[in-house]
Amino acid sequence: DAGVIQSPRHEVTEMGQEVTLRCKPISGHDYLFWYRQTMMRGLELLIYFNNNVPIDDSGMPEDRFSAKMPNASFSTLKIQPSEPRDSAVYFCASIVGGSTDTQYFGPGTRLTVL
Amino acid sequence: GDSVTQMEGPVTLSEEAFLTINCTYTATGYPSLFWYVQYPGEGLQLLLKATKADDKGSNKGFEATYRKETTSFHLEKGSVQVSDSAVYFCALWGGGAQKLVFGQGTRLTINP
Repeated sequence: DAGVIQSPRHEVTEMGQEVTLRCKPISGHDYLFWYRQTMMRGLELLIYFNNNVPIDDSGMPEDRFSAKMPNASFSTLKIQPSEPRDSAVYFCASIVGGSTDTQYFGPGTRLTVL
Repeated sequence: GDSVTQMEGPVTLSEEAFLTINCTYTATGYPSLFWYVQYPGEGLQLLLKATKADDKGSNKGFEATYRKETTSFHLEKGSVQVSDSAVYFCALWGGGAQKLVFGQGTRLTINP
């Protein structure tokens, strides 16, 4: 299996632009998580899905952030409009349901907003 | 709510030194406990886990024992190597929320 796939790996954009991050979870995994990692705040859970349905989006910082999962093999995290404080590494992770299972992380997207 | 507290870093050791990274947790019920490791420029990956009290997880020379009485899951390694330099995250999965709760991470640097 290729693991969790994220694209792009690096994104540089200007303030005010729309940014879309993409994630393909491991086939058969029914939970998908989006995280943000910064030096200041560490690792933060933004939102997670179960069977393509958003379960908890309490970590989404504000209305500029939105996430979708149209099918079991694809999810997007969109920021519109982007701001410099959104600069971070964004990780996607997936797991097959069950508290003892391993959560697999993608390699991350490093976002820089100028 | 559930929470995880790790010892603050950064931690710097010499090669072959003994390592301990402390982790304590607060949770309702009986969570599963994990250590994840993040090497530079990569995503997190599972290092080891324990699913019930007194279980010991181990991998790559690292060990951690699930201590219910002290609500702890300390990470240990007898002889660290330069390649162990990374950020280590303690985490739990339990209670009503179907998600991992992470500690703040501990940056470990091993000098040759």
